[in-house]
Amino acid sequence: SQTIHQWPATLVQPVGSPLSLECTVEGTSNPNLYWYRQAAGRGLQLLFYSVGIGQISSEVPQNLSASRPQDRQFILSSKKLLLSDSGFYLCAWRRPGESPLHFGNGTRLTVT
Amino acid sequence: QKEVEQDPGPLSVPEGAIVSLNCTYSNSAFQYFMWYRQYSRKGPELLMYTYSSGNKEDGRFTAQVDKSSKYISLFIRDSQPSDSATYLCAMGSGGSNYKLTFGKGTLLTVNP
Repeated sequence: SQTIHQWPATLVQPVGSPLSLECTVEGTSNPNLYWYRQAAGRGLQLLFYSVGIGQISSEVPQNLSASRPQDRQFILSSKKLLLSDSGFYLCAWRRPGESPLHFGNGTRLTVT
Repeated sequence: QKEVEQDPGPLSVPEGAIVSLNCTYSNSAFQYFMWYRQYSRKGPELLMYTYSSGNKEDGRFTAQVDKSSKYISLFIRDSQPSDSATYLCAMGSGGSNYKLTFGKGTLLTVNP
């Protein structure tokens, strides 16, 4: 069976510090990978998605970037965090085609 | 007009009640539909996935899709306090479109 791991679960970082959130998927190959941010009352906001190694599509221009160094690894990064980067970050995967998304348990990021 | 409309609630029902959760959509290109359950501080969990119009049942849950009316529903029979969560609808248009469109979620509380 497939599993998705996302860490850390919670993170408190000062403004201006770097960020690296990691996500890995097990039990499947060549998944589509996604990063979402969820803010209270605002729903799920798609940040990045990837259909293959090194292929990243950005949905919202902002202070974040994503990378996919390996088939089942997806990383969300920032060089300098802003207060507005606080939120609940979710990684997700799906098989290519018309299939549902499967989410990790998220990282709650607080920028202070 | 938003692509997907979902009543945010909150919805409060007594234990054992039948719950009806709904989403409407405007994009006729949507072909497949999902319902997710999200507990507080957790990632969304896939409940139901359906491709065609009609009903799909899984235990106490029934997903209903009416493509002609652009309307989907999730019914929960014999609701339990453990069903208390936010429910998100999602839909996709298939083909080379890698993105899903989510409703903002309905907060459900089942009171014992």
